Amino acid sequence: DARVTQTPRHKVTEMGQEVTMRCQPILGHNTVFWYRQTMMQGLELLAYFRNRAPLDDSGMPKDRFSAEMPDATLATLKIQPSEPRDSAVYFCASGPSGGLSSYEQYFGPGTRLTVT
Amino acid sequence: SQKIEQNSEALNIQEGKTATLTCNYTNYSPAYLQWYRQDPGRGPVFLLLIRENEKEKRKERLKVTFDTTLKQSLFHITASQPADSATYLCALENAGNMLTFGGGTRLMVKP
Repeated sequence: DARVTQTPRHKVTEMGQEVTMRCQPILGHNTVFWYRQTMMQGLELLAYFRNRAPLDDSGMPKDRFSAEMPDATLATLKIQPSEPRDSAVYFCASGPSGGLSSYEQYFGPGTRLTVT
Repeated sequence: SQKIEQNSEALNIQEGKTATLTCNYTNYSPAYLQWYRQDPGRGPVFLLLIRENEKEKRKERLKVTFDTTLKQSLFHITASQPADSATYLCALENAGNMLTFGGGTRLMVKP
């Protein structure tokens, strides 16, 4: 049963610290998405990769957030420095196709981040 | 500005009845629309996808309609069960495969 995995599942950190979240997409999927979910804003797209190349990161605060795919099995989302307003659940999702046709996205369990 | 609206109030229905959830949007011309289910503490799970030139899509007890003139999608669960209790999210997709999600509607099915 192929699944998207995310680590850590929970992270509590102090303001100003660096936070790194990791995601392993489903093997064979060539698109990866990072989302952030809060009660106030709902589920927001932060970044989108296809074949490991970043296609869109317009939803991501550029000054402190960065997203990368060092290889096809790992996507990372980094926050430096973290702020209390970054507290949220961060989801990674992967999808099987980057072509013109639509496709479902498979979400991981999320990383719950609390910045104090 | 672009907006996706789902009823933020919880929908409470009796087991066995049909649940109908609404997704309205403005200032979008989506190529596709997707529905996801989210349980507490978990990531969203894909349910159905419908294209702009499709009026209706079915999967088991689920049915989705897509009216691009009204800018509305309806999501139906027939013969609802307590296990259907969850938050349901609609998402609009542009040609770039990126999804924009609505705020979700929480469904509670009571036995």
